[in-house]
Amino acid sequence: AQTVTQSQPEMSVQEAETVTLSCTYDTSESNYYLFWYKQPPSRQMILVIRQEAYKQQNATENRFSVNFQKAAKSFSLKISDSQLGDTAMYFCAFMKLPGYALNFGKGTSLLVTP
Amino acid sequence: DVKVTQSSRYLVKRTGEKVFLECVQDMDHENMFWYRQDPGLGLRLIYFSYDVKMKEKGDIPEGYSVSREKKERFSLILESASTNQTSMYLCASSRETGTINQYFGPGTRLTVL
Repeated sequence: AQTVTQSQPEMSVQEAETVTLSCTYDTSESNYYLFWYKQPPSRQMILVIRQEAYKQQNATENRFSVNFQKAAKSFSLKISDSQLGDTAMYFCAFMKLPGYALNFGKGTSLLVTP
Repeated sequence: DVKVTQSSRYLVKRTGEKVFLECVQDMDHENMFWYRQDPGLGLRLIYFSYDVKMKEKGDIPEGYSVSREKKERFSLILESASTNQTSMYLCASSRETGTINQYFGPGTRLTVL
């Protein structure tokens, strides 16, 4: 079974600063998919970014980027130029194969302050 | 845009009641999922379905059942609700092939008194 660990239950960052959220996972699979989801107070789960394990290049989506270290089984999320709207719970998730269910970490609550 | 809807945002039920949580997706997705979200525990998979009338247990199926009579609808059933089933329930759907993204509904916050 795959496990996903987010070691930071809560984090805080000032507006315009950069913050990194950590995620590690455990799997014996060689190919898989990793995701970061955002859940704002509205509760809607929003996909932030995804990474295919077979791709060496780190994924980037505007202000969001990941640092994917396959050997270390690490998948951190960097948010640059933090905005108040980034305040949310962030979940790291693992997918074994397309169409399979997601294995989620316990989440990191991020607060962006003015 | 993919749309996943859930029948209620908030629901209050009494212990022992039979509870139905409905989920509908409008993009002809083959796969549908029910997750339970609790503070400090993240999201945990209850049941999933890869096709009509097909279901598979997830990590925490005890006390729940599901029904998928039509491709677009996936129902979660609490046969006899208990207080420890007070939680947030999230439905999701995805394609079998092609894009791997899962799309989530807005969630149902269920309180069992």
